[in-house]
Amino acid sequence: DADVTQTPRNRITKTGKRIMLECSQTKGHDRMYWYRQDPGLGLRLIYYSFDVKDINKGEISDGYSVSRQAQAKFSLSLESAIPNQTALYFCATSDSGLAGGQYYEQYFGPGTRLTVT
Amino acid sequence: KQEVTQIPAALSVPEGENLVLNCSFTDSAIYNLQWFRQDPGKGLTSLLLIQSSQREQTSGRLNASLDKSSGRSTLYIAASQPGDSATYLCAVVQGAQKLVFGQGTRLTINP
Repeated sequence: DADVTQTPRNRITKTGKRIMLECSQTKGHDRMYWYRQDPGLGLRLIYYSFDVKDINKGEISDGYSVSRQAQAKFSLSLESAIPNQTALYFCATSDSGLAGGQYYEQYFGPGTRLTVT
Repeated sequence: KQEVTQIPAALSVPEGENLVLNCSFTDSAIYNLQWFRQDPGKGLTSLLLIQSSQREQTSGRLNASLDKSSGRSTLYIAASQPGDSATYLCAVVQGAQKLVFGQGTRLTINP
């Protein structure tokens, strides 16, 4: 089974609808992240969470909200979807800490393709 | 604000050729640099991670170099194979574990 899973894998919704994307991980990591990818662009960070009680905005958080229900679960919500939120959404996880400046590698889920019509 | 650029956006080469993918970044204050591979319908797979104190990393046919002072990294792929066809992304690691990605290079290896 995959370590980082995302549901749904594909979703088509209409403008104005509320939608939730879910991410679950079995890696036991403290840190979780949500990114979006647009055609021809790299991934951009939407929100990140360093533990259950810590939520931080990323580069492009407007129009999105998140919920960290448990260490293993991190959900992304679009309160009122709009067409320019059509994108590929990725969840990622990593271990915690910067001991000695060490970087803890991020592990990515398979992505959710969201289309807003 | 850190900006990461990858050139070219797309590359098509015959099987067996050696090739180089380029990545440049504007702010040299990075922790590390990471190269990923992205296949359609799948997530990102980490290929190589270069610590800021290192100049290169190797894994099989892949070699990545890092020159912080000039803000550049290259990914060298030796003896390319059709299975190497994918989009390759570079990302720099800045404070608080944040990754800043380039837009990617779409690589096609022709049999």
